[in-house]
Amino acid sequence: AQSVTQLGSHVSVSEGALVLLRCNYSSSVPPYLFWYVQYPNQGLQLLLKYTSAATLVKGINGFEAEFKKSETSFHLTKPSAHMSDAAEYFCAVNSGGSNYKLTFGKGTLLTVNP
Amino acid sequence: DVKVTQSSRYLVKRTGEKVFLECVQDMDHENMFWYRQDPGLGLRLIYFSYDVKMKEKGDIPEGYSVSREKKERFSLILESASTNQTSMYLCASTGTAPSSGANVLTFGAGSRLTVL
Repeated sequence: AQSVTQLGSHVSVSEGALVLLRCNYSSSVPPYLFWYVQYPNQGLQLLLKYTSAATLVKGINGFEAEFKKSETSFHLTKPSAHMSDAAEYFCAVNSGGSNYKLTFGKGTLLTVNP
Repeated sequence: DVKVTQSSRYLVKRTGEKVFLECVQDMDHENMFWYRQDPGLGLRLIYFSYDVKMKEKGDIPEGYSVSREKKERFSLILESASTNQTSMYLCASTGTAPSSGANVLTFGAGSRLTVL
């Protein structure tokens, strides 16, 4: 079984401040991990993914995430928030192989204040 | 550049009506999914299909059925809509071969259903 826990349903930061969105996973096999972003009235789009290569993964729009097996974490960061980063962010896990199903976290709404 | 198209962005239906939500992808993907998105609950998998005419239940299949007669089209059916099915419905697809970006889901824009 696999699961994802996103700590904090709502995170608020000032423009230019560090963004940190937390994700912890549970998986019985080495996981594939993903961060997706959803802008208002849109579907989800991929920010970045970890598929057992480098543990520090860089994504679009200046975001990155680090896979830490010992902490079962895959936190998303961005050094300097921009107003356009305001969106909902979802962490997701799957167990790879022939299983293409993703299990999603409940999401974190990021607000960026001017 | 639209790759996963959901036919209706907004629908309003009455309790007991039969509802069809259509999803079409143009990427020749084998796998297609229907998720339901509710505030505070994230995305929950309703059904998925890994081939034409093949389907498997996800985590919350009750009250829903699906149809996949052609590779590019995956339909979600609410046989008798109820108010607790008011939600955002998201369709997604992914390929199998690594060249098609296996394990990365491509989502449609969503269909917001209101059942009165």
